[in-house]
Amino acid sequence: QSALTQPASVSGSPGQSITISCTGSSSDIGYYDYVSWYQQHPGKAPKLMIYEVSNRPSGVSNRFSGSKSGNTASLTISGLQAEDEADYHCSAYTGSSSLLFGGGTKVIVL
Amino acid sequence: DVQLVESGGGLVQPGGSLRLSCAASGFTFSTYWMHWVRQVPGKGLVWVSRINSAGSSTMYADSVKGRFTISRDNAKNTLYLQMNSLRAGDTAVYYCARVRPTGYYDYWGQGMLVTVSS
Repeated sequence: QSALTQPASVSGSPGQSITISCTGSSSDIGYYDYVSWYQQHPGKAPKLMIYEVSNRPSGVSNRFSGSKSGNTASLTISGLQAEDEADYHCSAYTGSSSLLFGGGTKVIVL
Repeated sequence: DVQLVESGGGLVQPGGSLRLSCAASGFTFSTYWMHWVRQVPGKGLVWVSRINSAGSSTMYADSVKGRFTISRDNAKNTLYLQMNSLRAGDTAVYYCARVRPTGYYDYWGQGMLVTVSS
């Protein structure tokens, strides 16, 4: 299976909202509500931000939200802050106990 | 607190072998499935392998099938990845991660760099 498709970068000014897309297929994102998003700062391990399309783990800011339409999932960051500058990775369950990832999106805070 | 601490990475020649370990603490290790994920520096994450809680079922990405072996010792709370016939394309940071039933990783190790080069 091919990797999920994410834009290479997305930028925004502090306080703005940005949305990162993650496109898969009818076999993964389109079939299961099992999409997750991870934030990764340079040199650090990924951190879970969203699971099961739109759920936030305890401790994650409510400025982060997730959604899905058809074969595309989205992560929205509202009230963009300097600390949000990082790489963001989407992931989807494929139904065979393996996972697909996107190529990652660099969020740039202008 | 849940912790996953990796060890065993380093520099190895093409065709060589290396074993990564991931020591788990702060949770009942024997009840969770575990995965290995790798990342070429500057690139995206790639799923490598998974193992069920008992260690009786494993699965691999096509790129490592037949060369890598995932295993676990529940008595020692440790996950392993035995990597044989290593290639330059296996150079990456390797992460162990705890996976939940709906396929998301709630905890990650700190990552271990494996460099395959002569």
